[in-house]
Amino acid sequence: AQSVTQLDSQVPVFEEAPVELRCNYSSSVSVYLFWYVQYPNQGLQLLLKYLSGSTLVKGINGFEAEFNKSQTSFHLRKPSVHISDTAEYFCAVRVTRGMNRDDKIIFGKGTRLHILP
Amino acid sequence: DAGVTQSPTHLIKTRGQQVTLRCSPKSGHDTVSWYQQALGQGPQFIFQYYEEEERQRGNFPDRFSGHQFPNYSSELNVNALLLGDSALYLCASSLNDLAKNIQYFGAGTRLSVL
Repeated sequence: AQSVTQLDSQVPVFEEAPVELRCNYSSSVSVYLFWYVQYPNQGLQLLLKYLSGSTLVKGINGFEAEFNKSQTSFHLRKPSVHISDTAEYFCAVRVTRGMNRDDKIIFGKGTRLHILP
Repeated sequence: DAGVTQSPTHLIKTRGQQVTLRCSPKSGHDTVSWYQQALGQGPQFIFQYYEEEERQRGNFPDRFSGHQFPNYSSELNVNALLLGDSALYLCASSLNDLAKNIQYFGAGTRLSVL
């Protein structure tokens, strides 16, 4: 079965410092990987996606992530965070099984990013 | 270009009641998925609709049902509400094209069951 593990439930970091939010997945089939951000009392916004091609993916708001197939990881990074980055971040995997159209998205439990002044 | 819209934004019901949540997909999208997000958790997949049929379903009881209309909009119905059904319900729309299948989410409907 497919699963997504976000290793940290909360990550505190000082403003303008770098941050890495960790994500590991398990799947026996091809995957598409995503990071979504959820600001307080809002829905999910797509930060970035890996579908194929270059393993380093750049997204919005200065975030980037690197797909590592051998380590089954898709960690999210930002070189310098801002107070406005305070939010919940969700790693997700979409598994597509071709003909039977099994293409649901499985989410991790989320990582709350706290930006300290 | 309107994104995914959901209504209502908030809803309060009592145990045993029934509720209907609505979703209009992003323009050009033909597939709608529904998720339940309990407090402090990641979204859990409920089901997905395409061509007015339920194409795939997560691990949710039959009390959860849905519908998709010819204009691709969708409804989520929950019968015999339980306290544990209190959550944020998210709708996501996408295009039925594997190369372009990215799900875009609405702001959600927050359901409170008392």
